[in-house]
Amino acid sequence: QQPVQSPQAVILREGEDAVINCSSSKALYSVHWYRQKHGEAPVFLMILLKGGEQKGHEKISASFNEKKQQSSLYLTASQLSYSGTYFCGTVDFNQGGKLIFGQGTELSVKP
Amino acid sequence: SAVISQKPSRDICQRGTSLTIQCQVDSQVTMMFWYRQQPGQSLTLIATANQGSEATYESGFVIDKFPISRPNLTFSTLTVSNMSPEDSSIYLCSVEELGGGGRSYNEQFFGPGTRLTVL
Repeated sequence: QQPVQSPQAVILREGEDAVINCSSSKALYSVHWYRQKHGEAPVFLMILLKGGEQKGHEKISASFNEKKQQSSLYLTASQLSYSGTYFCGTVDFNQGGKLIFGQGTELSVKP
Repeated sequence: SAVISQKPSRDICQRGTSLTIQCQVDSQVTMMFWYRQQPGQSLTLIATANQGSEATYESGFVIDKFPISRPNLTFSTLTVSNMSPEDSSIYLCSVEELGGGGRSYNEQFFGPGTRLTVL
């Protein structure tokens, strides 16, 4: 079942912060975050594992609440280069490692 | 991370024809996947390409429409058969890199994609 992302779209001024949320109806093993710019392939940003291990990327961090089956991506002091569509991908215990992606959040950073 | 290439990068095809997309990885990987991304939409998993055996298809995707080959650990093909305009999408190959060197998790990376337009 597809995870649900919110908001669907957000517009920021350079230097502002944003939070993107991802929630699932299933118990999750891991959450993966990707950024996709128009016309390009998704780029891996971050993974959060059950148990707390994670990988950071620039000024982007994330949290994973296993009990609530939710993850949030935090973008601080946003830069123009942060613009793109952000996808969370979730792996649950019954998927055998397959990533199922949310519908995406379109982020636009303006000067 | 693994370097993934896809051919062709884009194509325009006529209804009823078939197109085979190639995915080449510069290192051996265990898991390879094929995704479809329709315009303005998210990524939908088509199938897992299994080396030496038949691919594992997701609900809504069948082998007759999307035959997949995986002859070795660095190469896979996806064929889109008997195409219709509804098949116009970006098709992406993805590979999973196993954890190692102190990293316990696997990471998944995407190729550049093949943009298919069916007239």
